[in-house]
Amino acid sequence: SYELTQPLSVSVALGQTARITCGGNNIGSKNVHWYQQKPGQAPVLVIYRDSNRPSGIPERFSGSNSGNTATLTISRAQAGDEADYYCQVWDSSTVFGTGTKVTVL
Amino acid sequence: EVQLVESGGGLIQPGGSLRLSCAASGFTVSSNYMSWVRQAPGKGLEWVSVIYSGGSTYYADSVKGRFTISRDNSKNTLYLQMNSLRAEDTAVYYCARGLGNFDYWGQGTLVTVSS
Repeated sequence: SYELTQPLSVSVALGQTARITCGGNNIGSKNVHWYQQKPGQAPVLVIYRDSNRPSGIPERFSGSNSGNTATLTISRAQAGDEADYYCQVWDSSTVFGTGTKVTVL
Repeated sequence: EVQLVESGGGLIQPGGSLRLSCAASGFTVSSNYMSWVRQAPGKGLEWVSVIYSGGSTYYADSVKGRFTISRDNSKNTLYLQMNSLRAEDTAVYYCARGLGNFDYWGQGTLVTVSS
C-alpha cells in the first residue's frame, strides 16, 4: 500500500517561514491535499490539488509537488498556525500522511 | 452554509454494534462522495469508508466485512453501521464530504470500545 512520510515536528520562529514535507514514491504524479488540525477540532482543508487554496485560507499557505516530495509552506508564521498538518493523496484508496506538529516559537 | 453533524458515538463493549449518523445541510448527500475518517486518540487520520453518488461503497481493509456505509436521501443523512467492534476501533469518527480531497468535515463523534 502507498505510504506518505512526514516529519514528526517542525518549529518556526514567529514571522518566519515553515516548510512541511510529505514524501511518497513518485508523489509528483499524484494530487496532494493538505489539512490543518488544531487540538480538539476537525481537520480543515488548506491546500488542494498540490497548490490551490480553498476560499478563506490565507495566501500565506502555499503548496508544491514534484518528484518524491510535496511541500506545504507557511509564510510569515503566526501563533494561530500552530497545529498538526496532514498531507493526503488518492492511490486506490485515500491515504493520509503521518502528520507534522508545527510549533511557532 | 454547509454543515455536517455527527451523532451516535459512545461507549460500547468489544463485539458490540453501533450506528453513527451524519446529518448534512447546505448540500445534497446523494450528489456527492461522502466518507468516514477516524482518528484514534493521539494518532493520525485514517480513512474508513466512502459512498459514491452512484451508490458504490468502499472500505479500508481494517473494517471491511464489519462496517457498512449507507445514506438516507430523504433525510440527507449518512450512516456508518459498525459491527463486531474491537478495542482498536476506538477513535473519533468524522464524516467528510469528498474522496480525492475533503472540503467539509463534521465535528466528530467519539467511539470508545472497552469492557
